[in-house]
Amino acid sequence: SQTIHQWPATLVQPVGSPLSLECTVEGTSNPNLYWYRQAAGRGLQLLFYSVGIGQISSEVPQNLSASRPQDRQFILSSKKLLLSDSGFYLCAWSPSGGVLETQYFGPGTRLLVL
Amino acid sequence: AQKITQTQPGMFVQEKEAVTLDCTYDTSDQSYGLFWYKQPSSGEMIFLIYQGSYDEQNATEGRYSLNFQKARKSANLVISASQLGDSAMYFCAMRASRGANNLFFGTGTRLTVIP
Repeated sequence: SQTIHQWPATLVQPVGSPLSLECTVEGTSNPNLYWYRQAAGRGLQLLFYSVGIGQISSEVPQNLSASRPQDRQFILSSKKLLLSDSGFYLCAWSPSGGVLETQYFGPGTRLLVL
Repeated sequence: AQKITQTQPGMFVQEKEAVTLDCTYDTSDQSYGLFWYKQPSSGEMIFLIYQGSYDEQNATEGRYSLNFQKARKSANLVISASQLGDSAMYFCAMRASRGANNLFFGTGTRLTVIP
């Protein structure tokens, strides 16, 4: 069966510091991968998605970036964090091919920028 | 553009009773998928049930069923025989064939199961 991992689970970072969140998927090949952010008490907002190694699409302009160095690894980064980057970050995967495939989410990372 | 509306910020249900969580959607696409996710306090988004726009029968998955009314553009989640572990946030979401990489979420409904 497929599993998706995210780390760290919780992170407290000062404003202006760099960020690196990692997501890995097991049990599947060539998945579509996604990064979402959830602000407190709200729904999810898609930040980035990837259909293959090195292929990244950005949905929302911001000071965040994403990379996919390996088939089942997705990384969310920032060079300088802002207070507004605080939130709950969720990674998700879906099978490639079908356009309406279900997305399955990881456990998430809670980021607090002080 | 796609839009999901959940009008119930919070719902209460007695244990062992059934509850319906409302969801309406808006899209001009003919091909789309509707999803319900559960988010407990731990934060993980747990997939519950899926309904395709061309599916003629309502989806069911254990105690979860989706009341799909295409003409009214509604996709309500019905949870039967509520359990204390059902207390969580519930999100309705949609993917349309255009912009299919984006899963559009509603604002969620917080369900509390009362013993």
